[in-house]
Amino acid sequence: DVKVTQSSRYLVKRTGEKVFLECVQDMDHENMFWYRQDPGLGLRLIYFSYDVKMKEKGDIPEGYSVSREKKERFSLILESASTNQTSMYLCASSLFSGGEKLFFGSGTQLSVL
Amino acid sequence: GENVEQHPSTLSVQEGDSAVIKCTYSDSASNYFPWYKQELGKGPQLIIDIRSNVGEKKDQRIAVTLNKTAKHFSLHITETQPEDSAVYFCAASRGMAGTALIFGKGTTLSVSS
Repeated sequence: DVKVTQSSRYLVKRTGEKVFLECVQDMDHENMFWYRQDPGLGLRLIYFSYDVKMKEKGDIPEGYSVSREKKERFSLILESASTNQTSMYLCASSLFSGGEKLFFGSGTQLSVL
Repeated sequence: GENVEQHPSTLSVQEGDSAVIKCTYSDSASNYFPWYKQELGKGPQLIIDIRSNVGEKKDQRIAVTLNKTAKHFSLHITETQPEDSAVYFCAASRGMAGTALIFGKGTTLSVSS
């Protein structure tokens, strides 16, 4: 069964901390994505990557960076966490560059206090 | 900019009734329109998708229709069951190749028995 695994289901961090959210997929997909989900706002694209060491900004990249050192792993980094980054973070992967047929992880609920 | 609007934000139906969720998109170059279902505590899962060269697609109790002229598409669920209760997201591809999907804000469907 195909799988996208996010390392933590819940995380609580302090403002100013550096936060790493990890995502691993076992489907040998080239394309990986980070979305943020907030009530009433739907899913908003933060960053995506279509190849190892490649990254592209999405719609809301401010305050975030990403790392893709290996094909199966895509990390989201909050350089200095702020309270407005409290959210559900969803990682996804796809065989297709346009994000078709996405497979999502279960999400990480991040609380920044 | 590019936008996908989704209505209604909440929908309550009785078991056995039909449910319809509607989305409109702004980018006339969009050519791929998926629908995702998110159950509580899980990531979104693709349930059906349609391309712009097709007007309608059906999969058992679920169907999607597309009106390219009006730039809107709809999800139809017939004979609803309690297990259809979830948040549903529509999405549209962006006109620029190699970019990611843009999602609607979601519809919370409740099916009562």
